[in-house]
This record gives sequence, C-alpha cells and structure tokens, in this order.
Amino acid sequence: DTEVTQTPKHLVMGMTNKKSLKCEQHMGHRAMYWYKQKAKKPPELMFVYSYEKLSINESVPSRFSPECPNSSLLNLHLHALQPEDSALYLCASSPTGSNEKLFFGSGTQLSVL
Amino acid sequence: EDQVTQSPEALRLQEGESSSLNCSYTVSGLRGLFWYRQDPGKGPEFLFTLYSAGEEKEKERLKATLTKKESFLHITAPKPEDSATYLCAVQRLNAGNNRKLIWGLGTSLAVNP
Repeated sequence: DTEVTQTPKHLVMGMTNKKSLKCEQHMGHRAMYWYKQKAKKPPELMFVYSYEKLSINESVPSRFSPECPNSSLLNLHLHALQPEDSALYLCASSPTGSNEKLFFGSGTQLSVL
Repeated sequence: EDQVTQSPEALRLQEGESSSLNCSYTVSGLRGLFWYRQDPGKGPEFLFTLYSAGEEKEKERLKATLTKKESFLHITAPKPEDSATYLCAVQRLNAGNNRKLIWGLGTSLAVNP
C-alpha cells in the first residue's frame, strides 16, 4: 500500500464550527506533514511530525491544531477559521523525514464561509 | 535570499512536440532538487530527485537534469495525459539540522491532441 488517504475530500464550514481533517498511511513512514495550498501556488508547509513528535510548526495560527495519535495517523483540528483559510489541505508522509521524497494524499478542499 | 524560479509559467504543446521546463535556484546548502507533477485537485506526485550537478534521471517521456544553478525537465513526444502542473522544489539544510523545501510556483503544461 503506497497511498496516503485523506478524509474528507471536501469540507464546508462556518467560522464558528469545529472540524477535523484526517490522514492515514500504512507505508511504515515515520514522518508526516500538513501542507496548505492555495490556487496556483505551491504547497506551504504547516507542521511536521517526526516519530510522532511535533518537530516543525511554521508559525501557524492556533486555530489550526495538529495531532499525531500514532505513527499511521495524523489529524488537523480546525476551530474558528477565517474565510482566508479556504484552501486545499494536503497531508504527506516520508520514510524518516530526512532528505527524501514526499508521498502526498489527494487533499481536503476546505471552504470557510 | 533563497529562491526557486520556474519558467515558463505556462506552456501549451501539440502532442509529439518536445520541449523543456526550467527550474533555476539560488539556495545555499543544497541537499537535493525534486520534481513533482500535480493534477488539478490532487496532491503532488513525486517524479525525480537529483542531488549533484551532472546527474540525470529518466522516466518514460520525462528526463530531468541538474547543473549548479538550474534543472531542466525535458518532455519528449508528450501526450495529452502529460498535461499537469510541474513543480520544482529544492531542499536545503536549515539551522537546527532541519531540512526545508523551497518550492517554485510551477509550470502549467497543456498538451493538445
């Protein structure tokens, strides 16, 4: 299994809602990532988990809260988002978090109303 | 300042018309250059990693090359299914031994039948 699976594929939420994005991989990878991508822009790194510990937080607002329950799962909890947070949220994994290729999921297209 | 620049922004080819995409970079402490392909509404898909000047890699109709200042993605006899956005990313070593990916804005390729 060489897939990174993200759910849901689409999400519409209001600014007062709380929702969560989920990501799963069964490749035995020990590094997992959250990226945000706006239309016609490259992916923008948000968080990196390495061996289930948060290793990088790219100064992301606290309304985004990551969680890594185990080495296969990654969640992104969303609360009190703004319309400008609407984007494609991508999860990725890599074997160790070193100088290696990333395996991306198909993303969650998020719209904040 | 570290920078990755891709050209052209957009390219339209006829099926079978070979061409090249360019990725130029000014990054200190290069640890690798990555090419990804991204289809609309999907996550990027890994194509190649290049680590040192003079290195070349091939996959089907694609060939990636690397010099000290730029990389080329050559597309030979493209087909409509090669239509996608091609992203270049350069990895460098950050303070604290973290590796950071710096992305270009991508080249949007359309291949007409």
